Amino acid sequence: QVQLQESGPGLVKPSETLSLTCTVSGGSISNYYWSWIRQPPGKGLEWIGYVSYSGSTSYNPSLRSRVTMSVDTSKNQFSLRLSSVTAADTAVYYCARLAGDSYLRFDYWGQGTLVTVSS
Amino acid sequence: DIQMTQSPSSLSASVGDRVTITCRASRNIASFLNWYQQKPGKAPNLLIYASSTLQSGVPSKFSGSGYGTDFTLIISSLQPEDSATYYCQQIYSAPWTFGQGTKVEIK
Repeated sequence: QVQLQESGPGLVKPSETLSLTCTVSGGSISNYYWSWIRQPPGKGLEWIGYVSYSGSTSYNPSLRSRVTMSVDTSKNQFSLRLSSVTAADTAVYYCARLAGDSYLRFDYWGQGTLVTVSS
Repeated sequence: DIQMTQSPSSLSASVGDRVTITCRASRNIASFLNWYQQKPGKAPNLLIYASSTLQSGVPSKFSGSGYGTDFTLIISSLQPEDSATYYCQQIYSAPWTFGQGTKVEIK
């Protein structure tokens, strides 16, 4: 059974960089694409972007200037960096596996980690 | 960006009721539509992908249909454990977008 676990600081100061890591267990990170999705408290879901096992990326244009995703296949981990954060970036951040060929879907999710942006 | 609009935003139904949630895309997305269930404090859980394909392990009381711009999620017989928020998501064109959610409560 594939499991994903987010880790990283729960509190980030405004203008600083949010950094999260997702560790994949129970399966290999290879041959899949991996995504980050966030959910502000009490609100809906926003796709941030994905990184492939080979390191190719695609980001939501609304965040593209501030987002960097990377993968470390040796550790079975992938990461998110979001720079110049503001209070609007306060959210639960989920990592998820992107499955499928033609019909993509997020089939495994981490439990989520709340990141608060505050001084 | 493709906008996804769900209706209703919330509903209250009795145990055993048939529940229908609709999702409309702002433009044609063929069958590139997924449905997720999210319970409070939990991550979303994939129910249906490709508009109508049931994810492995998901009870058959959930079904999906639709093509193009109009999609439907049906819960055939509502049970207490189905109390949750349901999201549709288009994966036709990046940025992939979600509907605003439909909160389902038990009367």
